[in-house]
Amino acid sequence: EVQLVESGGGLVQPGGSLRLSCAASGFTVSSNYMSWVRQAPGKGLEWVSVIYSGGSTYYADSVKGRFTISRDNSKNTLYLQMNSLRAEDTAVYYCARDCGSYYEGAFDIWGQGTMVTVSS
Amino acid sequence: QSALTQPASVSGSPGQSITISCTGTSSDVGGYNYVSWYQQHPGKAPKLMIYEVSNRPSGVSNRFSGSKSGNTASLTISGLQAEDEADYYCSSYTSSSTYVVFGGGTKLTVL
Repeated sequence: EVQLVESGGGLVQPGGSLRLSCAASGFTVSSNYMSWVRQAPGKGLEWVSVIYSGGSTYYADSVKGRFTISRDNSKNTLYLQMNSLRAEDTAVYYCARDCGSYYEGAFDIWGQGTMVTVSS
Repeated sequence: QSALTQPASVSGSPGQSITISCTGTSSDVGGYNYVSWYQQHPGKAPKLMIYEVSNRPSGVSNRFSGSKSGNTASLTISGLQAEDEADYYCSSYTSSSTYVVFGGGTKLTVL
C-alpha cells in the first residue's frame, strides 16, 4: 500500500527544536518530489518546503534559515528539522508526494499529519 | 492573506452543480497549467481532486471537473451529494520563491 506516516510532533517551547519524520511505503522517497505542508488551527494550507529527487531543497520565506528538509534513502524516510520555533509555527504538519513530472504542487499522497504546538 | 483568492463559502442543494473560483496572477494561475484542487474533510488530510487544471486522479468521481481562464481557475462539482460537504483548496505552482501557493479555502455546504 502506498502511504506516508508522520511522527515527531508535540509541544515545544518558543526557541526550541523538533524533528518531524515521514516514513514512506509503497514508493521510493528519493525518486519523487517530497514536500511539507502545514495548516495552523482553523486556517488554510501553507506550503513549507520541498526536496527534489536530485536533492535540491527549497523553503517558504517564513521558515527559511530555521527549517531543514532532508531524507534518508536507506530508511525511505523524509524529515523536517525545525529550529528556533515560534508560536506562529503551531500547526498540523503534513508530508506529501508530488505526482507531477515536474514539481507543480500536485500532492497525490499525504500523511495523516502531526501536530506541532509552540507554547511556553 | 493567501496568495490565491477563493470565496469563503458556497452552498448548493443535492443534485445541483456549484463552481468554486480561484483567482491568482500571471505569476501563478495564469502562467502555468499547474493548478490543483483539494478536498478536506474535518480532521482529515487533504485529498487531491484535480491536477494540471483539469485532470482527475484515478478514483476521483467524474462529477468533479476543473478549468482555467486567464488568471482564474474553477472547480465545478455536478450532481452535489451530501458527502461533498467539505473544505476545498486550490493551489498553483508559482514563479515566486514560494514555489507553491494555496488559496484560502472554500467551505462547501450541501443544503
